[in-house]
Amino acid sequence: DAGVIQSPRHEVTEMGQEVTLRCKPISGHNSLFWYRQTMMRGLELLIYFNNNVPIDDSGMPEDRFSAKMPNASFSTLKIQPSEPRDSAVYFCASTRDGTSTDTQYFGPGTRLTVL
Amino acid sequence: GQQLNQSPQSMFIQEGEDVSMNCTSSSIFNTWLWYKQEPGEGPVLLIALYKAGELTSNGRLTAQFGITRKDSFLNISASIPSDVGIYFCAGQLSKTNAGKSTFGDGTTLTVKP
Repeated sequence: DAGVIQSPRHEVTEMGQEVTLRCKPISGHNSLFWYRQTMMRGLELLIYFNNNVPIDDSGMPEDRFSAKMPNASFSTLKIQPSEPRDSAVYFCASTRDGTSTDTQYFGPGTRLTVL
Repeated sequence: GQQLNQSPQSMFIQEGEDVSMNCTSSSIFNTWLWYKQEPGEGPVLLIALYKAGELTSNGRLTAQFGITRKDSFLNISASIPSDVGIYFCAGQLSKTNAGKSTFGDGTTLTVKP
């Protein structure tokens, strides 16, 4: 099993640019989560999906952030326009069903730097 | 909102020593989770606790779910160099909602050979 796949692993962009982060959950997993990790705020849940439907996006910092899950094997997190304070490591995680306390498998993360 | 206080923030220990870290919360959780994160990787679940008072082991790791449901601890016995990493606790309110996890700030463990 390939595990959760995220791309790119590193992204450096300039303020104002659009950034798109991608995630492929583990095959057969029905729930997908986007997290942001920073030194100041630790690990924060941004949004999660169950069966491709967004369940809770209360952690999304502001309207510049949007996430989609067009099918069971792909999700994107988009920041437009990006700002230096968005610099962080963004993790995607998936679980088998999300209806029980199932193990969350995290991807390797995307390290985003906004200059 | 809910906050988790994880301590200590960092630990420097000698190989072979035992380690203890804990998490406390201002409110109750129904599930406690302990993760380990290594550099350049995402967190990996070590132990999950579902019942108040539960004591669970995973090899040299032992974790307990506090009776008040507001705290949990993780012990590592006979530490080895590969135990190095950041250990996170996480609490969840609902057993039917795997997404709503609140994470502690982490304990950075350094093991000197």
